Amino acid sequence: NAGVMQNPRHLVRRRGQEARLRCSPMKGHSHVYWYRQLPEEGLKFMVYLQKENIIDESGMPKERFSAEFPKEGPSILRIQQVVRGDSAAYFCASSPTGFNEKLFFGSGTQLSVL
Amino acid sequence: QQQVKQSPQSLIVQKGGISIINCAYENTAFDYFPWYQQFPGKGPALLIAIRPDVSEKKEGRFTISFNKSAKQFSLHIMDSQPGDSATYFCAASSRTLSGNTGKLIFGQGTTLQVKP
Repeated sequence: NAGVMQNPRHLVRRRGQEARLRCSPMKGHSHVYWYRQLPEEGLKFMVYLQKENIIDESGMPKERFSAEFPKEGPSILRIQQVVRGDSAAYFCASSPTGFNEKLFFGSGTQLSVL
Repeated sequence: QQQVKQSPQSLIVQKGGISIINCAYENTAFDYFPWYQQFPGKGPALLIAIRPDVSEKKEGRFTISFNKSAKQFSLHIMDSQPGDSATYFCAASSRTLSGNTGKLIFGQGTTLQVKP
């Protein structure tokens, strides 16, 4: 019973490039959350998605960031034209329901922008 | 108002001692308070959680104490072990505020080191 799978584990991009982060939720989970963790800080909520729907994107920067969770395949967090300030660990979590019970986190993607 | 403040930032405890981490919140609409444990290179994992209708919850060596009037809650790790060395995050959420989205507001984290 695999947990939440995120890939890649490490991603290096130059300024201006695009970053695509993938998240496969636990089997049977249809609710996905993305969080960002900056050095020496806690996790900041970015977006909550269900299959084919964005439910809450109140934590997403207005520009350059987008997320999707298609009917088939993993959830994708996309960052266009990355800047150095985007360097962070990005964590995906999944849940069987949309309530605040037991979020299961992946191991994260460490994004480094050169 | 949606912040959760966590202290201390770092903590060193001897093996067998008690580790105590504190969190405070402002928004009385919060109704779920979990603690997460994170090891280096891993994602956070739920450790223990409490709702405001109880003042204390214990699971093994881990206890949450909750003070609703003071808007504070704390994690106590009894008989701390070197294997407990990790970063601990408190968090809070509200079904009323978030509309059942499960959005967690995290504290800044506490790095715990348990010395053998």
